[in-house]
Amino acid sequence: AQSVTQLDSQVPVFEEAPVELRCNYSSSVSVYLFWYVQYPNQGLQLLLKYLSGSTLVESINGFEAEFNKSQTSFHLRKPSVHISDTAEYFCAVSSSGNTPLVFGKGTRLSVIA
Amino acid sequence: EADIYQTPRYLVIGTGKKITLECSQTMGHDKMYWYQQDPGMELHLIHYSYGVNSTEKGDLSSESTVSRIRTEHFPLTLESARPSHTSQYLCASSEEGTGANVLTFGAGSRLTVL
Repeated sequence: AQSVTQLDSQVPVFEEAPVELRCNYSSSVSVYLFWYVQYPNQGLQLLLKYLSGSTLVESINGFEAEFNKSQTSFHLRKPSVHISDTAEYFCAVSSSGNTPLVFGKGTRLSVIA
Repeated sequence: EADIYQTPRYLVIGTGKKITLECSQTMGHDKMYWYQQDPGMELHLIHYSYGVNSTEKGDLSSESTVSRIRTEHFPLTLESARPSHTSQYLCASSEEGTGANVLTFGAGSRLTVL
């Protein structure tokens, strides 16, 4: 069965500093990878996804993630964070369109003014 | 604008009560899911459905039950709530045939059992 490891449970960072949230998944022949974000008292929202093609995927609010097959990683990065980026970030994986997503434990990003 | 709705958002009840958490989506999605979320833990899949009259248990053992009589509706029921059921329950849906399960989540139902 697939599994996801998010290595950091909490990441504090100052505003306008860069950030990387780490995600590793268990190996599989092919995978679909996702990052979801959860703001306080809300459900999860899709941030970005890798399905196929270019290994670098971007979101509309400046986040990007790179699929690295050899390292089985899908780390999330942003070059300059804002206060509004404070949230919980979940990495998820599935090995096919017919298998439900498996989520990591989440990383709480706290942006400090 | 949310296309998947969960009610109630917050519920505090006593032990032994029967409760139903409602989930409805207006997107016509075939696939629907219930996840349980506790602080600092993975989201655990407890039930899913790939269409009307189809339900499956997820990877986390749960005393809850679900039904899927209509495409848009996927309620979760606890016959006799206990304090161990205190958690946040997230409903989600995804479209058939996208090649990957891109989920749309509801806002969640936070259940507290006293």
